[in-house]
Amino acid sequence: AAGVIQSPRHLIKEKRETATLKCYPIPRHDTVYWYQQGPGQDPQFLISFYEKMQSDKGSIPDRFSAQQFSDYHSELNMSSLELGDSALYFCASSLGLRTLDIQYFGAGTRLSVL
Amino acid sequence: AQKITQTQPGMFVQEKEAVTLDCTYDTSDPSYGLFWYKQPSSGEMIFLIYQGSYDQQNATEGRYSLNFQKARKSANLVISASQLGDSAMYFCAMREGEEYGNKLVFGAGTILRVKS
Repeated sequence: AAGVIQSPRHLIKEKRETATLKCYPIPRHDTVYWYQQGPGQDPQFLISFYEKMQSDKGSIPDRFSAQQFSDYHSELNMSSLELGDSALYFCASSLGLRTLDIQYFGAGTRLSVL
Repeated sequence: AQKITQTQPGMFVQEKEAVTLDCTYDTSDPSYGLFWYKQPSSGEMIFLIYQGSYDQQNATEGRYSLNFQKARKSANLVISASQLGDSAMYFCAMREGEEYGNKLVFGAGTILRVKS
């Protein structure tokens, strides 16, 4: 079965650079979520989209922005990168926004900021 | 207060034995879901099993079962017949009703090591 696809899998950037992470949800899934997992930490929710509209916002820095496109893929744009942005970034997708709609995660993008 | 608490930072289990990973949660919302995910050393996050707050029966999925005790606010994961491939980090997560947003809130995780 098709899973959530994230690209790139690894990304190395310098401080103050920008990065764009892409997420392709499971086919027919209409909801996308972004999470950030720092080293040795649990994932933290950043933002989510349902039917191309922002549906919830967590602890996402103002330097980050995201959107969901007409084909339901999503992109997380990160500007003015800081060393503390180094983390594993997960995208997850679900069919629907209900409490018990399972969020399936991609393999993650590992971002290293030097 | 912590929404999800996993008190076992690390666990060892002998191959073929059963193991229970603890998870307690805190919410005043009557409608919520509890989820378990597995994160191997390669980093991906794999969904294992979930339980809804209104479900009367404990969830089961192959070798995974969820021991849901609502009054105690616990949702422990039981892995039967452990395999070497079960060695990973395990996260318990909760999602509350729609009015609380869409996010999963995770516990700190438990590292499980299966010994041969």
